[in-house]
Amino acid sequence: GIQVEQSPPDLILQEGANSTLRCNFSDSVNNLQWFHQNPWGQLINLFYIPSGTKQNGRLSATTVATERYSLLYISSSQTTDSGVYFCAEITTSGTYKYIFGTGTRLKVLA
Amino acid sequence: EPEVTQTPSHQVTQMGQEVILRCVPISNHLYFYWYRQILGQKVEFLVSFYNNEISEKSEIFDDQFSVERPDGSNFTLKIRSTKLEDSAMYFCATSSSEFLKETQYFGPGTRLLVL
Repeated sequence: GIQVEQSPPDLILQEGANSTLRCNFSDSVNNLQWFHQNPWGQLINLFYIPSGTKQNGRLSATTVATERYSLLYISSSQTTDSGVYFCAEITTSGTYKYIFGTGTRLKVLA
Repeated sequence: EPEVTQTPSHQVTQMGQEVILRCVPISNHLYFYWYRQILGQKVEFLVSFYNNEISEKSEIFDDQFSVERPDGSNFTLKIRSTKLEDSAMYFCATSSSEFLKETQYFGPGTRLLVL
């Protein structure tokens, strides 16, 4: 089955710093999503990005499907960006369902 | 904006007890899912449900688990006899289509603690 790996596993930043989170896939990308899990445990959809680049405020994401990776960029980080960032791929094996990555735990310090 | 809701937000239960977790999908959504996240780990697929029957279930979804849509609105996950290792966050997700480009919308989760 699809394997989804994320790096780094943990990241600590000072407020205002920029960061890049990476997501690697073992198989071709069909439907790629980035999520932010806030400290209360809620999963927030950030981007649906099977290919190309999208931007939403201080966040942007790029997926290079041919090379099986996606990047999430966070610029001018804020303490509210803290939490765990997951990428997830929809597998077409059986019914469509998400295969989540291992996550990157981000802590932004004031 | 429409959203998926889940109740309760937290539940504490004794080992061996039955629990029912409830989800109210977005109104025009037809595909329903449960995922589980053990503390500190990644989110894992449990089961998908469409047209009042299970479409697929994972290895985790053993005979202790069941799902149903009892009244056409709520979507429930029942654990018949809870075990310590069932302690986790349970997420309901729904989508309007099974097509690849359709996002699944996640509820806020139910945090289950089995003592």
